[in-house]
Order: sequence, then C-alpha cells, then structure tokens
Amino acid sequence: NAGVMQNPRHLVRRRGQEARLRCSPMKGHSHVYWYRQLPEEGLKFMVYLQKENIIDESGMPKERFSAEFPKEGPSILRIQQVVRGDSAAYFCASSPSGGRNEKLFFGSGTQLSVL
Amino acid sequence: GENVEQHPSTLSVQEGDSAVIKCTYSDSASNYFPWYKQELGKGPQLIIDIRSNVGEKKDQRIAVTLNKTAKHFSLHITETQPEDSAVYFCAASPTDSWGKLQFGAGTQVVVTP
Repeated sequence: NAGVMQNPRHLVRRRGQEARLRCSPMKGHSHVYWYRQLPEEGLKFMVYLQKENIIDESGMPKERFSAEFPKEGPSILRIQQVVRGDSAAYFCASSPSGGRNEKLFFGSGTQLSVL
Repeated sequence: GENVEQHPSTLSVQEGDSAVIKCTYSDSASNYFPWYKQELGKGPQLIIDIRSNVGEKKDQRIAVTLNKTAKHFSLHITETQPEDSAVYFCAASPTDSWGKLQFGAGTQVVVTP
C-alpha cells in the first residue's frame, strides 16, 4: 500500500527558472496539503487542496507560487522565477476526507536547491 | 494565529534513559496535538497524537501528556534506543483548521549506546 509519493526527490534550478513539484496522495485520499521546511526549522503550512479546488492558500506567497490538484493526476506545486530564498524542502501530505483534526500522512519531500 | 514553541532544540540521552520534549501553544482553541518523527532524508512520520478531551495517551514506549490550562504538552520516550535518534516535531491544530498544523521548530534527539 503505497504512501504519499513525491517527485522529484531533489530538484536543482537556476535563479529565474521554474520549479514543478509533484505529489500523489495515498490511495483513497482526496485531500492534499503542501508544507515548506527551511533548514533547522519546523514545517510551515502553504496550501490545502481537494480535487479541483483550493480550500486554503493562506500560507502560500502571493506571487510566483501556485498549486493545483486536477481531477486526474498528481497535485502540482509550481514556483515561477525561483530565487535563492525558495531553497527548502517541500513536503506534501494527504488525508482521507479533510475532516478537522484528521491525521496527516507525509511524503518524503522534494529538496529544492536554487543556484 | 497559533504559535508553538518547542524545547529543547537538541537532546542527548544514554541508551535506556528517558527523553522528554516540551511544547507550549498560544491558541486556547487548539484541540489536536500530533507528534512527528523525522529521520534524515525522510518525511515526518506521525508517532502519536492527543486530543484536548484527554490528558494523557500511551503507546508502548511513547507517551504524550496535555495540560490545557497551562497550554503545554509533552512527549515522553522511555527506554530509549539508538533507532529513536531523529528530529521530533510537535504541532497544534486550531479548531477551525483543516490539516493546517502549526509546527514547533523541532528537537534533535541523539541516543548514544
């Protein structure tokens, strides 16, 4: 029973390029959450999505960042015109039904390095 | 919004001893408190959680206590083993959140044989 799958594991981009991070939730889960982790810090909430809907994007920067979770396929976190400050580990989590205080299951993350 | 503080930032214990990590939260409306273990190069793994209607929960060598009045909660690991070495994160979830956890900064636990 596969867990939350994220790819790529490592992504290197030069300043100004675009980064696309993908997340496939656990089987049977239709709710996806993206978190960002800076070095030696805890995870920070970015965005919560259900299939084809953004529920809460209060933690996502207003510019350059976008997220989607289409009807078919993985959730995508997209960062345009990356800057060095975007370097971080990006984690995706999923839950079955998005209920309050529901357990979240995290993937192994994508380490983004911006040169 | 919710703010979670976690102490200590690093903890070194001898194998077999106990480890205690403490967290405080600011939002009295928070009612769900999970703990995650993160090993190097991996994602956080849920190890135990507690809801605000109970004061203590145990799962084998791991226990969590919650003091709602003082707004703090703690993780206790007994009989520590080398495989317990990892970074541990506490988190709090306000009642109006949907998977929007506020994490502490983490505790690096090192268990020495």
